[in-house]
Amino acid sequence: SQQGEEDPQALSIQEGENATMNCSYKTSINNLQWYRQNSGRGLVHLILIRSNEREKHSGRLRVTLDTSKKSSSLLITASRAADTASYFCATADNAGNMLTFGGGTRLMVKP
Amino acid sequence: ETGVTQSPTHLIKTRGQQVTLRCSSQSGHNTVSWYQQALGQGPQFIFQYYREEENGRGNFPPRFSGLQFPNYSSELNVNALELDDSALYLCASSSPGTANEKLFFGSGTQLSVL
Repeated sequence: SQQGEEDPQALSIQEGENATMNCSYKTSINNLQWYRQNSGRGLVHLILIRSNEREKHSGRLRVTLDTSKKSSSLLITASRAADTASYFCATADNAGNMLTFGGGTRLMVKP
Repeated sequence: ETGVTQSPTHLIKTRGQQVTLRCSSQSGHNTVSWYQQALGQGPQFIFQYYREEENGRGNFPPRFSGLQFPNYSSELNVNALELDDSALYLCASSSPGTANEKLFFGSGTQLSVL
């Protein structure tokens, strides 16, 4: 079963616009990560935020975490056509031997 | 691109057969995890191997089994294949001490069970 739900399931925007994806989860976590997947291939790690952090930036990516609401958001600013992909959040619990992924948001950025 | 390689890239089997998928981890990584990703869904954790021992298992039946070798490469074996086993199987490696912090994924093996 999936830990979290992502919202929206699909998102279509124009190049240059910002894209925001949300993730909710159910249990206590050690950290939350975001991954990107192109066309059903391997996933690529984008960013990690720990349970005691509230916001983190990496290039055009901004991640927030609200542990009281068990939710996270990923913001991609100034999107590019090359950002077209599926984006997944994944949570790690304190046991530490697995990641639990959400169902993903399919982002399409139109040139 | 990660240093994790998986073989084969595609595989077609019939129901009831057995399959072995292979994974070479990135250099220096001693932990390998396997995930199953059904079409349109997120990956689901099958199991993890650390220093040749199973180190955690998800909600998968015993016909899913694995091995890790001294060079940290790994195999996933599935017996008595069922139609629902059709999926993308992803292998991921991680470096010592960061098993749940950053996974490096291979490109996957697409398994079709007919």
